[in-house]
Amino acid sequence: EAQVTQNPRYLITVTGKKLTVTCSQNMNHEYMSWYRQDPGLGLRQIYYSMNVEVTDKGDVPEGYKVSRKEKRNFPLILESPSPNQTSLYFCASSLSMGLGRKNEKLFFGSGTQLSVL
Amino acid sequence: TQLLEQSPQFLSIQEGENLTVYCNSSSVFSSLQWYRQEPGEGPVLLVTVVTGGEVKKLKRLTFQFGDARKDSSLHITAAQPGDTGLYLCAGAAIKLWGSQGNLIFGKGTKLSVKP
Repeated sequence: EAQVTQNPRYLITVTGKKLTVTCSQNMNHEYMSWYRQDPGLGLRQIYYSMNVEVTDKGDVPEGYKVSRKEKRNFPLILESPSPNQTSLYFCASSLSMGLGRKNEKLFFGSGTQLSVL
Repeated sequence: TQLLEQSPQFLSIQEGENLTVYCNSSSVFSSLQWYRQEPGEGPVLLVTVVTGGEVKKLKRLTFQFGDARKDSSLHITAAQPGDTGLYLCAGAAIKLWGSQGNLIFGKGTKLSVKP
């Protein structure tokens, strides 16, 4: 089954304790992205990757790191989490993100609810 | 910075009513998508519109892309409780070089359809 898998689904941690949220897709997609979703602010892009070893900042990259060493995996790293990073996080992937093409459909994972105390 | 304004933010209606959700911007997009998100899940794509003036229908849902590709609407006819969810519009940004690399999301419309 084609899917984007995020882990963990729920995570409670304390300020400053490094954490990684994993994301894996089984569709051989080139494009992957991380979003955070907050009430009243909607979905905001953190980082995205057009392909292996190609990553770029989204709208809210501060406090986050990503890597794309393999096509299927795109982990999100919080080196020193802070309470303002408490949020619902989504990983998404797409075959590509070409200009105006109809195959720009994003497949989303089920989300990771992160609480930083 | 390109922005997508969605309205209304919240909508609570009775089963059988019609409704329209709007997505507006001052920027031009190469395409626009509508997603639906249910609690505890990620958004799921409903439709992509690419051509200015394009209208697409998905059962009781009608999607329209504005002629200038700056706005879009989602109309639901005879809403059902199963239509309840968060509806998100997302625009594919245009760049003059390479590919755009991201979708810009509206803040969403939370729809509740009561039996």
